[in-house]
Order: sequence, then C-alpha cells, then structure tokens
Amino acid sequence: GNSVTQMEGPVTLSEEAFLTINCTYTATGYPSLFWYVQYPGEGLQLLLKATKADDKGSNKGFEATYRKETTSFHLEKGSVQVSDSAVYFCAQEGSGNTPLVFGKGTRLSVIA
Amino acid sequence: NAGVTQTPKFRVLKTGQSMTLLCAQDMNHEYMYWYRQDPGMGLRLIHYSVGEGTTAKGEVPDGYNVSRLKKQNFLLGLESAAPSQTSVYFCASSYPPVWRALNTEAFFGQGTRLTVV
Repeated sequence: GNSVTQMEGPVTLSEEAFLTINCTYTATGYPSLFWYVQYPGEGLQLLLKATKADDKGSNKGFEATYRKETTSFHLEKGSVQVSDSAVYFCAQEGSGNTPLVFGKGTRLSVIA
Repeated sequence: NAGVTQTPKFRVLKTGQSMTLLCAQDMNHEYMYWYRQDPGMGLRLIHYSVGEGTTAKGEVPDGYNVSRLKKQNFLLGLESAAPSQTSVYFCASSYPPVWRALNTEAFFGQGTRLTVV
C-alpha cells in the first residue's frame, strides 16, 4: 500500500544553518504531496504542497520538489530561525477512498 | 472562519468512563478523520469517513467508535476508557483526493488532550 518514510529526528541546528528533512514515498500513480508543520501545543497546518512531478512547493522560505524518479519530496530551507522549531510531517494524498498517509514526523529544534 | 473545531480541548477521565469528542467543520468537506498522536509515534489514524453516514477503520480503531450523522460533524466515542488511550486526539477534514481542481490538503483542529487515570 501507499506509505511515506521520513528521516527520524530529532534534528538540532544552529540559527542560520541549512535544513534538509528527507521524505520518500511509495504509491501507485502520482499523488499530491504535502509538508505539514506542527508548532508546540498546536494542530498541524499545511506548510507547502506539490500536485505533480517536478512541481516545487514553497512557503516561508521552505521548499520541496516532487521528484518522480527518486520518489522523494525532501524539505529544505537555506537559513533556519529559532521560530522554525516544530515537528514536520511529510504526507501523500490518498487515492480512491483511502485517506492521507503521513510520515512519523521529524522534530526540529533550532538554537540561537 | 472557524475551519475545524474540536471540543473539548482537555479532559481527564477515570478508567472505565465513557466520553465523546466532537469535531465540527464548516468547509463542506466530504472526508473527515480522527488521529491520535503519541510521543515518538507520529500520527495514527483511528477512524475516518468519506461522507455523511459512512465510517471506516483506520490503523488503530480498537476501543473507539465513530459516527457521521451530519456532514459537518464527526464524533469519536470511547465507551470504556483505558490508560492506553491517554493521548492527544486530532480531527481533520478534506475534500476527496480525486477532486484535483480543489485543494485536497487536510485541515486540522487544535487537538484534544485526554488523560485517562
């Protein structure tokens, strides 16, 4: 079945460091792909998305490119801030009547 | 714009008690979901619904029941609470995946923190 695998955390970075969180997926067809972010004490909110191969989603300085050939959707940011400290979830759209599939989440801590 | 609203936000139950968590969405979404989130376990799908009057089991359905009598509401019930059900519960809603012309991402509520003692 469909699945999403993302790198395990926690990830600790200094402010202004480069961030990569890896995400790979298995699916039949080409589902939309998402990154969600969960700030402390809050629910998940959509960070960015891509709906087809080679699409690049971007928001708040974060980017991810839908790579069909490597079945990946890695999250990147060139210079992280303390305010980016959160848990990040990679997800893929369901198909037919199946719901969204989430990765297990990666906790990011950014220290000043 | 309310989006997805969960009630209550916090609750403490004694083992064996029952309760119902309510999720309401005002976006006319067909799909609704209940997840639980535990430390180090990510999000695990409990039950979901693809439309009014329908429900389906997710990854961890045991000990929970759900109902979707109205399109905008999705109720999660615990008939006899157990300490293993201590968790943070999230409700979400979305359009069906095949409706590509619309945004198909899920919208989440703020969560319900449940403690069973």
